Amino acid sequence: QKEVEQDPGPLSVPEGAIVSLNCTYSNSAFQYFMWYRQYSRKGPELLMYTYSSGNKEDGRFTAQVDKSSKYISLFIRDSQPSDSATYLCAMSASWSGGGADGLTFGKGTHLIIQP
Amino acid sequence: KAGVTQTPRYLIKTRGQQVTLSCSPISGHRSVSWYQQTPGQGLQFLFEYFSETQRNKGNFPGRFSGRQFSNSRSEMNVSTLELGDSALYLCASSPGAIQETQYFGPGTRLLVL
Repeated sequence: QKEVEQDPGPLSVPEGAIVSLNCTYSNSAFQYFMWYRQYSRKGPELLMYTYSSGNKEDGRFTAQVDKSSKYISLFIRDSQPSDSATYLCAMSASWSGGGADGLTFGKGTHLIIQP
Repeated sequence: KAGVTQTPRYLIKTRGQQVTLSCSPISGHRSVSWYQQTPGQGLQFLFEYFSETQRNKGNFPGRFSGRQFSNSRSEMNVSTLELGDSALYLCASSPGAIQETQYFGPGTRLLVL
């Protein structure tokens, strides 16, 4: 079993829809959770990070963490064609030096927003 | 402020050769991490350097090595290249003694023939 599972997609939705992206994980030591967006031929760009359980909102993006279920989500409201990219979840057990294994990433979900 | 830069952007090598990739972090950032990204395995952590010291290392063979200079610039080296080393190699920098947020460079795409 992979430490972090993420549906690779592609996930195709019409412009303006609410998008839900998810990851599950198995390592209960993870405490820090991040979402990155990666456009083709670019490096990942940090969108959101949260500590432990709860919600965090930033503009059209909302990140949710449910540690009891080992499940994290990213919601995108009013989706735009420019949101079309690969979305990667990442997590870490500690924040000091990134932990023994650095960040552990999901493989990414390819999102397509249809105009 | 300039972002993380990586050179070269593209590289073609043959099996058995070695390669050195370079990363310049964002000005003022002291932590540099390296990742390998492949379609099959996704993003995998290689190692992290802070103030010229390797603090963390992922599960990669000893053919993969790195170093950090006093100006925080970092290099990674892969010796005796294998076909499976073909990947996008990403460098990420972060501001301080704790990783906080990581900012990624555009990556170096390595093709091993």
